[in-house]
Amino acid sequence: SAVISQKPSRDICQRGTSLTIQCQVDSQVTMMFWYRQQPGQSLTLIATANQGSEATYESGFVIDKFPISRPNLTFSTLTVSNMSPEDSSIYLCSVDQTGDNEQFFGPGTRLTVL
Amino acid sequence: GIQVEQSPPDLILQEGANSTLRCNFSDSVNNLQWFHQNPWGQLINLFYIPSGTKQNGRLSATTVATERYSLLYISSSQTTDSGVYFCAVANQAGTALIFGKGTTLSVSS
Repeated sequence: SAVISQKPSRDICQRGTSLTIQCQVDSQVTMMFWYRQQPGQSLTLIATANQGSEATYESGFVIDKFPISRPNLTFSTLTVSNMSPEDSSIYLCSVDQTGDNEQFFGPGTRLTVL
Repeated sequence: GIQVEQSPPDLILQEGANSTLRCNFSDSVNNLQWFHQNPWGQLINLFYIPSGTKQNGRLSATTVATERYSLLYISSSQTTDSGVYFCAVANQAGTALIFGKGTTLSVSS
């Protein structure tokens, strides 16, 4: 399976600021996904990021709040903009490495907004 | 959209006991995965099982796609099995995963 890393692993931020989370994969993948897990909750898809095209956002998530970049087949970033305490969550990226729809997840970024 | 329901929501076991976790889904799927989320938040892939039966050590899983459910069996549970178990599916039209709410398992020694 792919080796997926995320930076930072955790951060504590002040409200009104922005944080960019990086996701790096050790092999080229077509599709990357960003998920959010709010405290005590399940995972919810934020957006799908394909290289060379705009990210596709799920209902309830907008590009101005969660801009995503996908500059190549091994890297993506998610920015959480103008943060509020409600953005405190674990943010995870995932990849479909083999194209058979099995997904593997990065270790996550644990964000706390004060 | 597709709905994913997991049961039970919580499960408390003594070490050595067996358990069965269930995942029901509301539509045809082209992907079904079971994950274990450890206390540090990491999601560990357990099974990729859109249909059929698989086994890996003390864990096994069965998906009956025609009846829209999957079961995860844990035998001879250990304290390290504690955590949250998620079932996630992707429907025929998509590749992104839709997660159930999870089953929180606590195994005590």
